[in-house]
Amino acid sequence: GAVVSQHPSRVICKSGTSVKIECRSLDFQATTMFWYRQFPKQSLMLMATSNEGSKATYEQGVEKDKFLINHASLTLSTLTVTSAHPEDSSFYICSAPHRMNTEAFFGQGTRLTVV
Amino acid sequence: GQQVMQIPQYQHVQEGEDFTTYCNSSTTLSNIQWYKQRPGGHPVFLIQLVKSGEVKKQKRLTFQFGEAKKNSSLHITATQTTDVGTYFCAGLKNTGNQFYFGTGTSLTVIP
Repeated sequence: GAVVSQHPSRVICKSGTSVKIECRSLDFQATTMFWYRQFPKQSLMLMATSNEGSKATYEQGVEKDKFLINHASLTLSTLTVTSAHPEDSSFYICSAPHRMNTEAFFGQGTRLTVV
Repeated sequence: GQQVMQIPQYQHVQEGEDFTTYCNSSTTLSNIQWYKQRPGGHPVFLIQLVKSGEVKKQKRLTFQFGEAKKNSSLHITATQTTDVGTYFCAGLKNTGNQFYFGTGTSLTVIP
C-alpha cells in the first residue's frame, strides 16, 4: 500500500515552546491530509483537515491558532503545536487517502510530551 | 462533533471463540471503514463498505453495513492471538470528506 511518513516519532519539549510535526506522502500525492489526536486507550479524535494550497478546516473545539497547519505541497502537511502546555501531551497522527473517500494511510504517529 | 459509538469498549475472549464489535452512528453515513490498531502502532486499514446492507468477508472476518447506513459490525470467527488489538470503525458522513472514528473496541485473546 501507499506510504505515509510522519516525523518525529517522539518529541519532548518545554512548556511555552513550539513543536512542528511533519507528515509526508512518499509515493503518492495527497491533496487532503487529516490530523488526529489520540489519548491513551482512546479513539482518534479528528482535529483538522489539511488542504493543499488552502486553509485547513478545523473541527469544533480545536484552536486554529494553537494548532497551526500548513499544506504547502502535494506531499507534505505540517502541524505546529504553538506555546505547548503539558495538557497538549498526546499522540498525534496524520493520515492521507490515496484517493478521495478511499482507505486512508496513516503515519507512524508522534508522541508529544510537554514538560 | 464525532458521534460514532462502538460497543463493547473491551472484550476478552478465549482463543477460538468468536468476537463481534458493533458500530453505531447518530447520522447516516456515506460509507464506513474498519481499521485495526495494535498497541503502540498506527491504525491499519481493513476494509471499506459503501452499499446499504453490504456484507464483505476477509478470511475469518465478516463486515456488515446496516440497511439504514447508520450501523456496522465486524465479526471474527475463531479468534487467534494475532487478532489482538483495537478495532475502530470510521464513518464518512454524507456531507464532507472527513472520516470520524468510532470509540473503538479493544480485543484481548487469551491463549
